Order: sequence, then structure tokens, then C-alpha cells
Amino acid sequence: DVQLTQSPSFLSASVGDRVTITCRASQGISSYVAWYHQKPGKAPNLLIYAASTLQDGVPSRFSGSGSGTDFTLTISSLQPEDFATYYCQQLNSSITFGQGTRLEIK
Amino acid sequence: QVTLRESGPTVVKPTQTLTLTCTFSGFSLSTTGMGVSWIRQPPGKALEWLALIDWDEDTYYSSSLKTRLTISKDTSKNQVVLTMTNMEPADTGTYYCARVRGTMIRGVVYYSMDVWGQGTTVTVSS
Repeated sequence: DVQLTQSPSFLSASVGDRVTITCRASQGISSYVAWYHQKPGKAPNLLIYAASTLQDGVPSRFSGSGSGTDFTLTISSLQPEDFATYYCQQLNSSITFGQGTRLEIK
Repeated sequence: QVTLRESGPTVVKPTQTLTLTCTFSGFSLSTTGMGVSWIRQPPGKALEWLALIDWDEDTYYSSSLKTRLTISKDTSKNQVVLTMTNMEPADTGTYYCARVRGTMIRGVVYYSMDVWGQGTTVTVSS
């Protein structure tokens, strides 16, 4: 099975900051990566698919990049509603999720 | 508008079989590129993918749970059913269903879970 390792696991940042979350796969997965965020008590919400394609309705401050084994999610200027847990997901070989990155207000 | 809603028991006893139903609207599971997946989340922990069924009735399962899972669909009722046998306390958590949509980009189909249900909580306890 493909393992996904996200870093960091916990991130403290301020409104307006630029933040980057990384996701590393245990083997090459081309661009079959999606990113989600999840707020407490809510279902996850799709942000990015195909590693870099923004889902309809998602603000342009979110961006994704990468191919092969290394992927990043960047938020260019944090907004209050962005404080949540972020998950990467691979859909190349079966489906797996990363362990999550919790983004909290500094 | 695409919606999905999970339903099923809130409490099951150890060794019992769990049956969850995902009732959806706003899309057809007969459409090429569409699927429905089940994902779960233990309290305070990460998301775990369980199973997927696609428009062609192909099924896919988590390798660690496949001996316990069965996913099926009733296209006429717009429902997808997941059964999980031999439940144990470690199976406690929130269970989500989600639409899986394939999007073609430069000749390649990429899948993602673009709409999720609100989730249903299952507790395994005697």
C-alpha cells in the first residue's frame, strides 16, 4: 500500500501568513493527489485534485503542486476560516489519506 | 445540487455486522466516471478510506479491511450500502460516504471525492 506522510503534523500560524504543508508518498503516484480540509465536527471539503487543480468555489489563495512522490499545499494568505485540519489523499494505487496537519491560530 | 446522507445504527455490539446506507441525489451512479466511497474517522484520528463502488459496479476495498467489507449499489434507489462484519470497539467512529468524480485533464482521468455526506456516528459497545 502507498503510505502518505504529511509534515508538519501541527502548525501554528497567524492570519495573513503564507503556509505550506507537504505530503510525501512512499512510491511514485504521478499527480493522483487531492487535498481536503476539515473543521471540527464537519465532513472534509475538497480543495485541490490532480495535485494542482483548484476545485470549483475554492478561493485562489489555495494552491497545490508536485508530482511523483512529493506534493505541497500552499495557502498564500491565511484567513480565519482556514484554521482546520488538512489531509492529502492519493488515488493512484488504491486510496489512502495522510495522517493530517492541524493548522491552528498563533 | 448533489447531496449524500448516511444512515444506519448508532450502536452495535461486538461481533455484530454493521450495515450503513448512503442515499444520494443530484447525480446518477450509472454515469461514466462516477462512484461512491465510504471513509471513516475514529474519534480524534485521521481519515481512513474503506471502500468504493463505481458506475461499472467495480468494487475496491482497503487492503487491511477487505475481508470484512462488502459494498453494493441499488441504482434505482440511488443508494450504496456498506456492510462490515465482526465489529469491534476499534471500529467506533464517524462513517462518511462521498461522491467520487472523475475529471479528464489533458487526456488523463483524475478522481476526487468532491461531495461528502455529513457523516454518521457508530459506537461499538456491549
